Amino acid sequence: GQNIDQPTEMTATEGAIVQINCTYQTSGFNGLFWYQQHAGEAPTFLSYNVLDGLEEKGRFSSFLSRSKGYSYLLLKELQMKDSASYLCAVRDSNYQLIWGAGTKLIIKP
Amino acid sequence: ETGVTQTPRHLVMGMTNKKSLKCEQHLGHNAMYWYKQSAKKPLELMFVYSLEERVENNSVPSRFSPECPNSSHLFLHLHTLQPEDSALYLCASSQEMGSSYEQYFGPGTRLTVT
Repeated sequence: GQNIDQPTEMTATEGAIVQINCTYQTSGFNGLFWYQQHAGEAPTFLSYNVLDGLEEKGRFSSFLSRSKGYSYLLLKELQMKDSASYLCAVRDSNYQLIWGAGTKLIIKP
Repeated sequence: ETGVTQTPRHLVMGMTNKKSLKCEQHLGHNAMYWYKQSAKKPLELMFVYSLEERVENNSVPSRFSPECPNSSHLFLHLHTLQPEDSALYLCASSQEMGSSYEQYFGPGTRLTVT
């Protein structure tokens, strides 16, 4: 079966750095997405990785290792507004998006 | 309005009711999606439309019936639902289906079946 694993919940301190991991087992791979979802709101696109390596976008970076079936989202200089759920999704060989259950990130002052 | 809009935002219905959820995208996209989001579970893809043609139906019960009259509008018709159908229903759109195109989500309809 196809599976995306990410931690259920993480806690971090304002101003710090946090890394949210995502591991996947899918039938084929055609890219990995990270989305942010604030409580009661729509998921919004953060990043896309299809080749190995690090993609940096301001305070947020996303890393991919296809051989390990592994990605992480790195958030720097955490702000209170970063409190949200972070969803990892992989596009499989049929171009279907397979979603993880999300990681709820709690930022404390 | 811009982006993806959904109405209603909240809906409470009995098991014998018939209701419809509406989604509209103002992005000129060709693909539209219905998802179900239950607490602490992954997003479940229900239906996919590409250029108004249904291309995906992930074993969804027939009490859910989608309709895509044009590339900007998507409906989800509901009838004789069960309490376990209570969830957040999200609509999304993308430029095309597949490839690297990200999906843009609407705010969702919070559905409660009593």
